[in-house]
Amino acid sequence: EPEVTQTPSHQVTQMGQEVILRCVPISNHLYFYWYRQILGQKVEFLVSFYNNEISEKSEIFDDQFSVERPDGSNFTLKIRSTKLEDSAMYFCASGGTSTGELFFGEGSRLTVL
Amino acid sequence: GENVEQHPSTLSVQEGDSAVIKCTYSDSASNYFPWYKQELGKRPQLIIDIRSNVGEKKDQRIAVTLNKTAKHFSLHITETQPEDSAVYFCAATYSGNTPLVFGKGTRLSVIA
Repeated sequence: EPEVTQTPSHQVTQMGQEVILRCVPISNHLYFYWYRQILGQKVEFLVSFYNNEISEKSEIFDDQFSVERPDGSNFTLKIRSTKLEDSAMYFCASGGTSTGELFFGEGSRLTVL
Repeated sequence: GENVEQHPSTLSVQEGDSAVIKCTYSDSASNYFPWYKQELGKRPQLIIDIRSNVGEKKDQRIAVTLNKTAKHFSLHITETQPEDSAVYFCAATYSGNTPLVFGKGTRLSVIA
């Protein structure tokens, strides 16, 4: 069964450093998302991406964040200058055409020290 | 934008009993309502979903009901088992390229 895959599974970084989280969505999906989950809290929407551009973003997704689909398979989330409060699990998700159903990756746990 | 409220935040039941988790949503345009189960340290996994053209959907021990007029939907788990213990999230969206908005989650504990 196809899966969304994410790397790294866990990254520890110093405050102020840049971080890139990588995702490989399911191959025939067209909609891509990043969500964030702070420990013990709900899953929060960051950004959605369709047709090679951002289609929607939340208030959390400020100028420190960016997304890119550098090739036909990868979908990346970059945090330019990490803050302590960026520590969270970051989930990538992808969806097919207009079904609404999302498939989540295993997540990348980011710890900012 | 959409806002999803979920309760209770925690729920403990005896093995074999039923569990009910309720959610309300604010945007009457929302038409897709999935439920995700998240085990500790794992990804959210879809367990059941319902679209606004039906009022109820069942899959073995799990059922979801939707009341569009009242803008609420519920997850029902019957004959609960210890492996049902997890955090359950409801979500809502207008299907298409719109993001899912999640509730705050319900931590279900099934006591053997």
